[in-house]
Amino acid sequence: GAGVSQSPRYKVAKRGQDVALRCDPISGHVSLFWYQQALGQGPEFLTYFQNEAQLDKSGLPSDRFFAERPEGSVSTLKIQRTQQEDSAVYLCASSSRTEGNTIYFGEGSWLTVV
Amino acid sequence: AQSVTQLGSHVSVSEGALVLLRCNYSSSVPPYLFWYVQYPNQGLQLLLKYTSAATLVKGINGFEAEFKKSETSFHLTKPSAHMSDAAEYFCVVSDLPGNQFYFGTGTSLTVIP
Repeated sequence: GAGVSQSPRYKVAKRGQDVALRCDPISGHVSLFWYQQALGQGPEFLTYFQNEAQLDKSGLPSDRFFAERPEGSVSTLKIQRTQQEDSAVYLCASSSRTEGNTIYFGEGSWLTVV
Repeated sequence: AQSVTQLGSHVSVSEGALVLLRCNYSSSVPPYLFWYVQYPNQGLQLLLKYTSAATLVKGINGFEAEFKKSETSFHLTKPSAHMSDAAEYFCVVSDLPGNQFYFGTGTSLTVIP
């Protein structure tokens, strides 16, 4: 596609519910990133994939957060047993060395836990 | 390790005045540096990037930034502010292609008519 696509754009979840957020990166982009952006804050790194390999997951805040990219393209960020503090915008980004290391962001998935 | 410091979480300028948003970085290797803009309720958009080709980098919407190694700075400027420039601006550093990107805390720009 032309850009990074994320779905759903908006999600309201009841506390304790599991959610899954999807990211379609730009076609051919090897690197994929997930960031969490709380209201009024800058994006915080969650995890990073190179193709299907998850090279860094040091930013995942707890074991309730899980990300996968099984075929090296689409990625899913799963949050189990959501808590109110999980309310944030979840940003997906992709990049390619052939494009000068520029990261392109999706518009984000806005998660509200009530 | 890499890190970014943006001085001033809120900056206000009059329409037509100079815009200066400050960014200082810390990097153990030659950095890749970026400025991104985020308009209300929208995603992050690349303004410009430094990748060692030239120290003065021109971006979209009339913005530019100068890489100063001696000062470890990458300040963003625009000669004349426009109302449409009101947004959140993030300075970002990365060390290797495709590696983790580190964000500053952001500067909110307000343009006063």
